[in-house]
Amino acid sequence: DAKTTQPPSMDCAEGRAANLPCNHSTISGNEYVYWYRQIHSQGPQYIIHGLKNNETNEMASLIITEDRKSSTLILPHATLRDTAVYYCIVITNFGNEKLTFGTGTRLTIIP
Amino acid sequence: SAVISQKPSRDICQRGTSLTIQCQVDSQVTMMFWYRQQPGQSLTLIATANQGSEATYESGFVIDKFPISRPNLTFSTLTVSNMSPEDSSIYLCSVEMSGGRAFFGQGTRLTVV
Repeated sequence: DAKTTQPPSMDCAEGRAANLPCNHSTISGNEYVYWYRQIHSQGPQYIIHGLKNNETNEMASLIITEDRKSSTLILPHATLRDTAVYYCIVITNFGNEKLTFGTGTRLTIIP
Repeated sequence: SAVISQKPSRDICQRGTSLTIQCQVDSQVTMMFWYRQQPGQSLTLIATANQGSEATYESGFVIDKFPISRPNLTFSTLTVSNMSPEDSSIYLCSVEMSGGRAFFGQGTRLTVV
């Protein structure tokens, strides 16, 4: 069973904020929400993760709802280089845990 | 963080032959993961490689087809055996550091003709 649900594709204008949603209604108490992206012809790249509080780093912000059943990844000022497939994954942060990739969201930044 | 070097980056192989993919990590890690990404698809885990023990394979993947070696804590190989065109994919190795962050190699793009 898929643990996360994401829209298959989204477009965003260059310079605008890109908001990528993810549903994870069966998340358990010790699971975190992780986001990765895969730019064409490259391996996936870690973006950000969080448990229940909102998080921000140099790449993005992560907003997790209070019930933790959904989250939104925000790229504040999207550039053409942000065109990629974005994956939302829920796992513990114990390390050495296999990742299950869903189909992700293909984000296209429009010039 | 971790830096992962994967070789070769791409190859074109004849059906019926085998290809061994190498994955080198710049730090010692307990587990290494091998994924397959078929054209236009998401990543699928093939197996988990522990140093000093047999790899653990996911459903649909078998050791005879995808033998894995893990001779030390920084290196692993995946062999794609007796290849057919259906094995044409990108193969990626990955490690997961404490805190749950995963790092990936750049992948090996395999085309079987």
